[in-house]
Amino acid sequence: SQQGEEDPQALSIQEGENATMNCSYKTSINNLQWYRQNSGRGLVHLILIRSNEREKHSGRLRVTLDTSKKSSSLLITASRAADTASYFCATSIQGAQKLVFGQGTRLTINP
Amino acid sequence: DAGVIQSPRHEVTEMGQEVTLRCKPISGHDYLFWYRQTMMRGLELLIYFNNNVPIDDSGMPEDRFSAKMPNASFSTLKIQPSEPRDSAVYFCASRIAGSSYEQYFGPGTRLTVT
Repeated sequence: SQQGEEDPQALSIQEGENATMNCSYKTSINNLQWYRQNSGRGLVHLILIRSNEREKHSGRLRVTLDTSKKSSSLLITASRAADTASYFCATSIQGAQKLVFGQGTRLTINP
Repeated sequence: DAGVIQSPRHEVTEMGQEVTLRCKPISGHDYLFWYRQTMMRGLELLIYFNNNVPIDDSGMPEDRFSAKMPNASFSTLKIQPSEPRDSAVYFCASRIAGSSYEQYFGPGTRLTVT
């Protein structure tokens, strides 16, 4: 089964609003990453947060990690139409080089 | 750098035919990953290589699938014989060894088996 599960599966908001997506995982991790996938394209890395970090920022992105709850959230502030995409969390387990991806959240930004 | 290159971008074939997907990783990257993406199963890791050596092929669905990496700049994923349930988008990704775990994905190959 998937290590990461995103919630919600789909999210539709108005341009300018903030979008929050959540990810839960099952086992202890080394780090957690968020990726974006535009329709018909490959995944693009957005941000990485390590297991000893609680919050990280990159531009309009804010990621939090709660290892006690085995969960993470991705916040996109002041959303734009170009943010329309699917967003995936991916976990890296200690000692393993591979990532395990969740099912993703489909985000739609309405102009 | 041109990024990860995959070919073909689209492939339509008939059941029973052999299919070969190709990937050129980013120069200097030590790891190469093959993924399959479907609506039902999401993004699944099939196999990954480190310095051209297969490390973990536990995600390869069955013996019909095989992957090779003859050198640092080229890898293939072969399906023989292909079946309709193999229809999916296949992604190749690469990354550099070290503390950064960021993977760089190619544009994918959309495979349709009729």
